[in-house]
Amino acid sequence: GNSVTQMEGPVTLSEEAFLTINCTYTATGYPSLFWYVQYPGEGLQLLLKATKADDKGSNKGFEATYRKETTSFHLEKGSVQVSDSAVYFCALSEGGGYQKVTFGTGTKLQVIP
Amino acid sequence: DTGVSQDPRHKITKRGQNVTFRCDPISEHNRLYWYRQTLGQGPEFLTYFQNEAQLEKSRLLSDRFSAERPKGSFSTLEIQRTEQGDSAMYLCASSFPSGPYEQYFGPGTRLTVT
Repeated sequence: GNSVTQMEGPVTLSEEAFLTINCTYTATGYPSLFWYVQYPGEGLQLLLKATKADDKGSNKGFEATYRKETTSFHLEKGSVQVSDSAVYFCALSEGGGYQKVTFGTGTKLQVIP
Repeated sequence: DTGVSQDPRHKITKRGQNVTFRCDPISEHNRLYWYRQTLGQGPEFLTYFQNEAQLEKSRLLSDRFSAERPKGSFSTLEIQRTEQGDSAMYLCASSFPSGPYEQYFGPGTRLTVT
């Protein structure tokens, strides 16, 4: 079956540091890939997505590239802010008739001033 | 549109009691999903509706769980004879019927079984 593996947290960074959160996946077909973010006390929000190999998703300074050869979708940001502190979930969805999403376990990011 | 809403936001119940949660999706969305999230884990798929039809149920959804979407709008998730292991955040999401495969999540209902 499908699965998503992401690096364990928590990750603690100083403001303006470079962020990488690793994510790899296992899927039987050609999934769409996502990063969701959960800010403290809030619901899950879609951060970015990529629907086919070599696509780059980007939003709010975050980027991730769909790498089929390495089955990876690593999240990066060049300069993190305190407001980026949240839990980040890598996820995938198989194509076809519906979009059941398989999530990773989440990586907590804490950015300190 | 105000997004996906869920009610209640928090529920504390005693073991053995029944509980029911409600989800109101974004009005234009005809697909609705339920997930369960336990502490330190990602959400796990429970079940999915297209309009009023329940099209898939996870093995996680035991016989004590039932979900409905009678008119293809709001949905309810009922847990009968709750157990302590049912304590979790129950998330609802909705989406359009076809790509770009983006699901919009509600704030969740946190269930605590004592």
